[in-house]
Amino acid sequence: AQTVTQSQPEMSVQEAETVTLSCTYDTSENNYYLFWYKQPPSRQMILVIRQEAYKQQNATENRFSVNFQKAAKSFSLKISDSQLGDTAMYFCAFMPHNNAGNMLTFGGGTRLMVKP
Amino acid sequence: NAGVTQTPKFQVLKTGQSMTLQCAQDMNHEYMSWYRQDPGMGLRLIHYSVGAGITDQGEVPNGYNVSRSTTEDFPLRLLSAAPSQTSVYFCASSYQGSSGNTIYFGEGSWLTVV
Repeated sequence: AQTVTQSQPEMSVQEAETVTLSCTYDTSENNYYLFWYKQPPSRQMILVIRQEAYKQQNATENRFSVNFQKAAKSFSLKISDSQLGDTAMYFCAFMPHNNAGNMLTFGGGTRLMVKP
Repeated sequence: NAGVTQTPKFQVLKTGQSMTLQCAQDMNHEYMSWYRQDPGMGLRLIHYSVGAGITDQGEVPNGYNVSRSTTEDFPLRLLSAAPSQTSVYFCASSYQGSSGNTIYFGEGSWLTVV
């Protein structure tokens, strides 16, 4: 079994600044995927970024990037040039590579507030 | 293309009542699953299915029942509702081999048990 921990229940950032959300996980798997999901007040689950554990290069999607440290089992999300629309809950999630069902294990979430 | 459709979006139940949350997808996905999200928490897996006729339990299956008679539909049944089942329920679907790259979530069903 694996666990995902997000140690920051709430964070805030000024518009246009950079913020980093933390995530650690525990697993005995060697190959897996890590995800960051955004959940705005509408409760819709939106995939922000995905990292494959066997790739050393950190994933990047526009203003969103990750710092993946496999040995430390750490997977942080950096949001650059924060925008008001980034205000949401952010969930870190884990999925083993050979996973019949594509089942995700989620962290408890970090509520991010972007202030004008 | 409707994606993943959940009904109802809101429901209030009395303790002991039973009900079914419906989930349908029109993408011919093999994989479907149900999660619950309690206040201030992440999503937790209730049940999942890897194809028609095949289901299995997730992390928190007690009090719920599922079946998968067709590829498109994956209903979640609450057998005897309890206040502890007050939550937001999400259905998700994806295709085999997607490696999580395209997991589609429904918009959620808000359930209150009084």
